Amino acid sequence: EVQLVQSGAEVKKPGESLKISCKGSGYSFPSYWIGWVRQMPGKGLEWMGIIYPGDSDTRYSPSFQGQVTISADKSIGTAYLQWSSLKASDTAMYYCARPSTSGYFSRGIVFDIWGQGTMVTVSS
Amino acid sequence: DIQMTQSPSSLSASVGDRVTITCRASQSISSYLNWYQQKPGKAPKLLIYAASSLQGGVPSRFSGGGSGTDFTLTISSLQPDDFATYYCQQSYSTPRALTFGPGTKVDIK
Repeated sequence: EVQLVQSGAEVKKPGESLKISCKGSGYSFPSYWIGWVRQMPGKGLEWMGIIYPGDSDTRYSPSFQGQVTISADKSIGTAYLQWSSLKASDTAMYYCARPSTSGYFSRGIVFDIWGQGTMVTVSS
Repeated sequence: DIQMTQSPSSLSASVGDRVTITCRASQSISSYLNWYQQKPGKAPKLLIYAASSLQGGVPSRFSGGGSGTDFTLTISSLQPDDFATYYCQQSYSTPRALTFGPGTKVDIK
């Protein structure tokens, strides 16, 4: 079964660092992009960025460039989203997602496999 | 970057109603438009891709249409399981800018 399993909920203080994970299984992890999506409490979905684990090509939404780091370790089939200094405004649910087709990016990409989400709470 | 809007932002409907949600792009995106359903506490679920193609396993009461800048998601006969929030997402742009619409919440009248 193809699935993405995300790491568990986190509670952090402002200024702390954090790295959450998204582990893919049941498919060739290096061959499929992995995207990250933020959902703040009671709000909509926001596209954060995407990585191709095969060569670590990473693209960030302008809104998130410089705010987070997306990475992947293809040897263990895991993608990551990390913060160096969390803010209260980073409190949100974070989802990873995989597109339906493998290979390099193409127009019309469709995300049909989603992780269960990781809730990040930042509070003093 | 391409901006996406949806209307209405919310609607109340009854079981059996026909429901239509509209999504508009700020520039032409051809048919590169996907629809997702999200229930509270759950990950989004793909319903429709390429504007009108039904994802496998999705009931046929869901349909999508449109091209260019204007798109619709129609539920022909609303069922109890359909009360959720629906998002459109354009996949025309580069990987850094796959924007979602703001969502449409469908709840029970």
